[in-house]
Amino acid sequence: RKEVEQDPGPFNVPEGATVAFNCTYSNSASQSFFWYRQDCRKEPKLLMSVYSSGNEDGRFTAQLNRASQYISLLIRDSKLSDSATYLCVVNNAGNMLTFGGGTRLMVKP
Amino acid sequence: GAGVSQTPSNKVTEKGKYVELRCDPISGHTALYWYRQSLGQGPEFLIYFQGTGAADDSGLPNDRFFAVRPEGSVSTLKIQRTERGDSAVYLCASSLTRPGQYNSPLHFGNGTRLTVT
Repeated sequence: RKEVEQDPGPFNVPEGATVAFNCTYSNSASQSFFWYRQDCRKEPKLLMSVYSSGNEDGRFTAQLNRASQYISLLIRDSKLSDSATYLCVVNNAGNMLTFGGGTRLMVKP
Repeated sequence: GAGVSQTPSNKVTEKGKYVELRCDPISGHTALYWYRQSLGQGPEFLIYFQGTGAADDSGLPNDRFFAVRPEGSVSTLKIQRTERGDSAVYLCASSLTRPGQYNSPLHFGNGTRLTVT
């Protein structure tokens, strides 16, 4: 089992739709969690951190469920510019930040 | 300010050759990572430096891979006797302090696309 797992997608949604991605992690001692966004042939960039109480940044909401060992990302009112790959990242109380395989989102007009 | 800089942006080499990939992190960032990303996959951890020392090299796939950071700034990833399976995008990232801290996110460079023919 991979340490961090994501549905690769693609998720094809129309503009304005709400879409949610989940990511599961295997190490119950994991301490910090992040969502990164990666555009085609570009480097990953931090989208948002994921805090225990959940957090929101504009149209984006991140949630953490420690009991079930998953994090989620909700995007409301999808824009064409949201089309990208979304990478789940977990820090396992050590030095390593482990990335999931990414979920590809395509927002259609 | 300047971000993480990686050179070259593209490298094509023949099987069996030696290559060096360079990473210049954001000034003042003590932590430096190397990751490798294959098409359709997430970045795969290779090695992490805190200052000049390799704090975690558990992701290096074999002894053909080696990385240094002699002055605690620029880092070089070295690959000996390259194989076709080494073809990937090699990403470097840096962070202000110890990685994984919410106030110290990773900043990635544009990557070096390595093709071994």
